[in-house]
Amino acid sequence: KQEVTQIPAALSVPEGENLVLNCSFTDSAIYNLQWFRQDPGKGLTSLLLIQSSQREQTSGRLNASLDKSSGRSTLYIAASQPGDSATYLCAEGGATNKLIFGTGTLLAVQP
Amino acid sequence: KAGVTQTPRYLIKTRGQQVTLSCSPISGHRSVSWYQQTPGQGLQFLFEYFSETQRNKGNFPGRFSGRQFSNSRSEMNVSTLELGDSALYLCASSLVEQQDTQYFGPGTRLTVL
Repeated sequence: KQEVTQIPAALSVPEGENLVLNCSFTDSAIYNLQWFRQDPGKGLTSLLLIQSSQREQTSGRLNASLDKSSGRSTLYIAASQPGDSATYLCAEGGATNKLIFGTGTLLAVQP
Repeated sequence: KAGVTQTPRYLIKTRGQQVTLSCSPISGHRSVSWYQQTPGQGLQFLFEYFSETQRNKGNFPGRFSGRQFSNSRSEMNVSTLELGDSALYLCASSLVEQQDTQYFGPGTRLTVL
């Protein structure tokens, strides 16, 4: 059974810190790995998509990496801001458009 | 381009009723997927439609069904509602290729009393 795990479940950091969110997956035949952000009661906002042939993707202060051999992806957030507070979800994409989501990391950035 | 839109945003129903939710994808997107989000189970895949055909289906009972129209708009229907169907229902759209980014709508919050 394909599973996606995110650690930690919750994280609180002071403003300005760099931080790393972790995502582990069991499917070695992964096609892509997508990171999302979700604000309370809202839909998902796509942050980064890494194809299986890529090692990392960057967008502004965000950098996501993918290591298929170890079944891991990380999301690095530089110089965190209170506006980064949200739940971050990773999702594994397979041969179809079905995404398998992790349980998320709830991030709180303290001013 | 306008994003993915979902209507209605909020719904309150009672057990045994049925409900229909609507999703309009981003213009040009032909794939529409539906997900259920609950505090206990997280985000779970319901089904995906492409060119009016269900291409993939998650592990949900037959009470959950959907369809897609020729303009790519999609609807999902839940019959004989149960308390456990209370959830945020999210719709996502993407271009044809299966490795494209999926873009999510704001969701429909369904409460079953």
